[in-house]
Amino acid sequence: GAGVSQSPSNKVTEKGKDVELRCDPISGHTALYWYRQSLGQGLEFLIYFQGNSAPDKSGLPSDRFSAERTGGSVSTLTIQRTQQEDSAVYLCASSLMGLAGSSYEQYFGPGTRLTVT
Amino acid sequence: GENVEQHPSTLSVQEGDSAVIKCTYSDSASNYFPWYKQELGKRPQLIIDIRSNVGEKKDQRIAVTLNKTAKHFSLHITETQPEDSAVYFCAAKPNTGNQFYFGTGTSLTVIP
Repeated sequence: GAGVSQSPSNKVTEKGKDVELRCDPISGHTALYWYRQSLGQGLEFLIYFQGNSAPDKSGLPSDRFSAERTGGSVSTLTIQRTQQEDSAVYLCASSLMGLAGSSYEQYFGPGTRLTVT
Repeated sequence: GENVEQHPSTLSVQEGDSAVIKCTYSDSASNYFPWYKQELGKRPQLIIDIRSNVGEKKDQRIAVTLNKTAKHFSLHITETQPEDSAVYFCAAKPNTGNQFYFGTGTSLTVIP
């Protein structure tokens, strides 16, 4: 079946503008994660959604970052008033985690490369 | 919170040799430890994982060992091949909460 998809694949924006990044998880996956990957760095956790529960926003670096997940499926990550340090690859992952007996395996999307000029 | 450290940051081995990547973690409540492989320009993919109730797990040329007392776990790749060249990330997940804490990655190069 189809894997996790993200759009756009690349985004170049001017400092100060807002951007929206989209993630389509694997159908039926209840858990969805957003990560940020800067050059040469590991994956930095941003936010986690699980079913209809309140999201875990503990990884969001500032109040310029927000995310929502509509209908338990598609998620959008919004970065307001972008700064140059926001330049990174933003990865989305989904999993079945949270369902009894399910695997923790996360399936990653291809990422969105964000460049703030 | 959890802190995961990964070493080395880069590793070069001759084809056919073994490669070992090590990670340490700080939170004794962590109980799930996956390893992801990320080829250049591609998405991370799970290659092996281990839960805290076992000390070792093997899948063909790949194995992971876990030492809960010392809070470290390692990835072992035997008989390396050029297609093993990639960045490898370890991660730890505490038994409470939803976060995965990733290491900073190891860039493995297998020289033909």
